Amino acid sequence: GQQLNQSPQSMFIQEGEDVSMNCTSSSIFNTWLWYKQDPGEGPVLLIALYKAGELTSNGRLTAQFGITRKDSFLNISASIPSDVGIYFCAGHPNTGNQFYFGTGTSLTVIP
Amino acid sequence: ETGVTQTPRHLVMGMTNKKSLKCEQHLGHNAMYWYKQSAKKPLELMFVYNFKEQTENNSVPSRFSPECPNSSHLFLHLHTLQPEDSALYLCASSQDGGAPTDTQYFGPGTRLTVL
Repeated sequence: GQQLNQSPQSMFIQEGEDVSMNCTSSSIFNTWLWYKQDPGEGPVLLIALYKAGELTSNGRLTAQFGITRKDSFLNISASIPSDVGIYFCAGHPNTGNQFYFGTGTSLTVIP
Repeated sequence: ETGVTQTPRHLVMGMTNKKSLKCEQHLGHNAMYWYKQSAKKPLELMFVYNFKEQTENNSVPSRFSPECPNSSHLFLHLHTLQPEDSALYLCASSQDGGAPTDTQYFGPGTRLTVL
């Protein structure tokens, strides 16, 4: 199946700092999604991207659909303690009918 | 009602038990999914149902048996599981199933432990 490489695997940051994470694939994707998962809960959709180059914001979160269509980036500005969790990327390739998921980036925010 | 609900939230079972997981979506969607989430691994798609018909079975062992009686309900019947089947089982739903623009919404999951 498709492989999505998500980095970094984990991050420890101070409250107020900005965060960047990314997701890359070996093939072209038509859709990129970013989810956040809190402990003991299911993933919650943060941002959906449908066009190459698209830049979309949701509050302090901004995500971009890479121009090559093989990557996507998520930025969180001015992090706060409730940003703690695992962030997953998901992508839908040109072919087939399913989404593929990254292994997640675990974010810890130190107050 | 929240979008996608799952019961039970936690389940402990022996290898000889038979149990079922339940998922219900209140979003008016036509597609429902079962995923397995294990530590340090990407979400693994298990089954997809679109308009109550199974459209995807990702080589899942027969000890997992899905059932979709209508577009709002999805079950996962479990029997003679193995300890390596212990994981978080997530249900999701989406409007139409399979299209690149078809966003999936997840339930809270069932944490399954097989002893």
